[in-house]
Amino acid sequence: GAGVSQSPRYKVAKRGQDVALRCDPISGHVSLFWYQQALGQGPEFLTYFQNEAQLDKSGLPSDRFFAERPEGSVSTLKIQRTQQEDSAVYLCASRPRSGQGHTEAFFGQGTRLTVV
Amino acid sequence: AQSVSQHNHHVILSEAASLELGCNYSYGGTVNLFWYVQYPGQHLQLLLKYFSGDPLVKGIKGFEAEFIKSKFSFNLRKPSVQWSDTAEYFCAVGGNNRLAFGKGNQVVVIP
Repeated sequence: GAGVSQSPRYKVAKRGQDVALRCDPISGHVSLFWYQQALGQGPEFLTYFQNEAQLDKSGLPSDRFFAERPEGSVSTLKIQRTQQEDSAVYLCASRPRSGQGHTEAFFGQGTRLTVV
Repeated sequence: AQSVSQHNHHVILSEAASLELGCNYSYGGTVNLFWYVQYPGQHLQLLLKYFSGDPLVKGIKGFEAEFIKSKFSFNLRKPSVQWSDTAEYFCAVGGNNRLAFGKGNQVVVIP
């Protein structure tokens, strides 16, 4: 399909384990975003890429969270030493261009992370 | 920083009833406003958006929203809901290369 693809869809991790979540944005989209959605809440911004440059990582909750997009397409969100409070759905979104523009972001189905 | 407030988190109504979901935002810059919908088991999808111009915006599936600048509001409406409108609805404000979402409204339409 032509949409944003995320994998895995579901991930169960033992507390203290490292995890890596993958996002394949829509081909050619310049902007890529990661959001965290806790149960019963709206998505919360984590980080933003313009091509391979991480322009904003102010939403990352701790230094255990790390994101990269080395070639300006696929992105990986890594969480080290997972904690129970990291349990959430992690959403990836992409947008055709940088800046505000008059375009919306397209979201993937998310990865549901459960830390036990 | 931008923020969004949505009220009445859970809404239950019968088919053919009218729906209105409130959204209030705070943001000091030029606002870009969105309503997203998430059907059960599916990803977030755009219902409608406002950037400028006519403050009454029409979206997909018969939804519309009205931007009232003086009230910092962007309420969503549908005159007659269907069972297929059962979903979670999120209001969002865009700025500084990020979206700020409200907590969402879980809407259940009873056939």
